[in-house]
Amino acid sequence: DVKVTQSSRYLVKRTGEKVFLECVQDMDHENMFWYRQDPGLGLRLIYFSYDVKMKEKGDIPEGYSVSREKKERFSLILESASTNQTSMYLCASSSRAGSSTDTQYFGPGTRLTVL
Amino acid sequence: GENVEQHPSTLSVQEGDSAVIKCTYSDSASNYFPWYKQELGKRPQLIIDIRSNVGEKKDQRIAVTLNKTAKHFSLHITETQPEDSAVYFCAASKGSNYQLIWGAGTKLIIKP
Repeated sequence: DVKVTQSSRYLVKRTGEKVFLECVQDMDHENMFWYRQDPGLGLRLIYFSYDVKMKEKGDIPEGYSVSREKKERFSLILESASTNQTSMYLCASSSRAGSSTDTQYFGPGTRLTVL
Repeated sequence: GENVEQHPSTLSVQEGDSAVIKCTYSDSASNYFPWYKQELGKRPQLIIDIRSNVGEKKDQRIAVTLNKTAKHFSLHITETQPEDSAVYFCAASKGSNYQLIWGAGTKLIIKP
């Protein structure tokens, strides 16, 4: 079974803090994704990576950065958290680099609240 | 830009009845259309997908149909059961890169 884990289920931070969300997958997948999930807006892609040290902007990258130093780990960084970044953050992975047609396996999500 | 429209946003059906959720996409290069189910408090999981060379695909009580000419695809659930209650997301592959374009989701409520 593919396992995708995220470092925290719930996180509360203050405005202006630097926030790190970590995601780890154990199936040697090439692609990793960070999504933001808000009611009525579905899943919006923030960043994705198809290889170590490679990253591509998604639809809403502003205010976020990412890091992929190892194949199994993909980190999402909020440089200076703001209240409009309060949301559910989902990480996902899929097997083949550059393929959009492979199943995406999701982590359990991190509910981030920024006060 | 490319988008996927999903309707309805909420669907309430009697247990045992059928449910249909519809999606329309705009990118003519899209060739892969998955459906994900997200139960309350859980992670999204793939339940069925279809590729552009196929018009229909079935898996037990669920089926997906694709009309490439009209650029729409639908999820059909027959004989609905309480465990079908969830949010369902459709998606379409983006022709230009590795992404999926996601619909906004449909909350399916099964009434006992």
